[in-house]
Amino acid sequence: EAQVTQNPRYLITVTGKKLTVTCSQNMNHEYMSWYRQDPGLGLRQIYYSMNVEVTDKGDVPEGYKVSRKEKRNFPLILESPSPNQTSLYFCASSLSGQSNQPQHFGDGTRLSIL
Amino acid sequence: GENVEQHPSTLSVQEGDSAVIKCTYSDSASNYFPWYKQELGKRPQLIIDIRSNVGEKKDQRIAVTLNKTAKHFSLHITETQPEDSAVYFCAALSQAGTALIFGKGTTLSVSS
Repeated sequence: EAQVTQNPRYLITVTGKKLTVTCSQNMNHEYMSWYRQDPGLGLRQIYYSMNVEVTDKGDVPEGYKVSRKEKRNFPLILESPSPNQTSLYFCASSLSGQSNQPQHFGDGTRLSIL
Repeated sequence: GENVEQHPSTLSVQEGDSAVIKCTYSDSASNYFPWYKQELGKRPQLIIDIRSNVGEKKDQRIAVTLNKTAKHFSLHITETQPEDSAVYFCAALSQAGTALIFGKGTTLSVSS
């Protein structure tokens, strides 16, 4: 089954404790992206990747890192999480390096930073 | 950069009525406009999309219209059903073609 898989689905942690949210897709998609969703603000892009070893900042990249060592994986790293990063996070992927292709979303990761 | 405005933020209709959600975008170079439906606690799911070379696209009870001159596009849902209740997001491709810029969403409630 074609899908985007995120782990963990839920996480409660404390300020300053490094964490990684994994994202994996099995569709051989070139393009992958991370969004955060906050009430009243919609979906805002954090980082995106056009292909392996090619990543770039989105609208709200502060406090986050990403890597794209393999085509299927695009982890989101919070080196020193803070409470303002409490949010619902979605990973998405699409077929080509240009994002005018349908994006497929993972099931989301709800992070709470205390 | 690209900006997408979405209206209304909430919409309540009776079952069987039509619902219309409108979005405007700022970058005239945008050429791809998807719509996503997000049910409570779930991921956004693509329901329909349109590219700039067409003015209208229809899929059963759902249609999207695009006016490139006015830089706005709309989602039309006919014969609404309670299972249409969800948050709907419009989006437009960014100027650089590397990101989707989303509207802030419309919460649609369909009462029976």
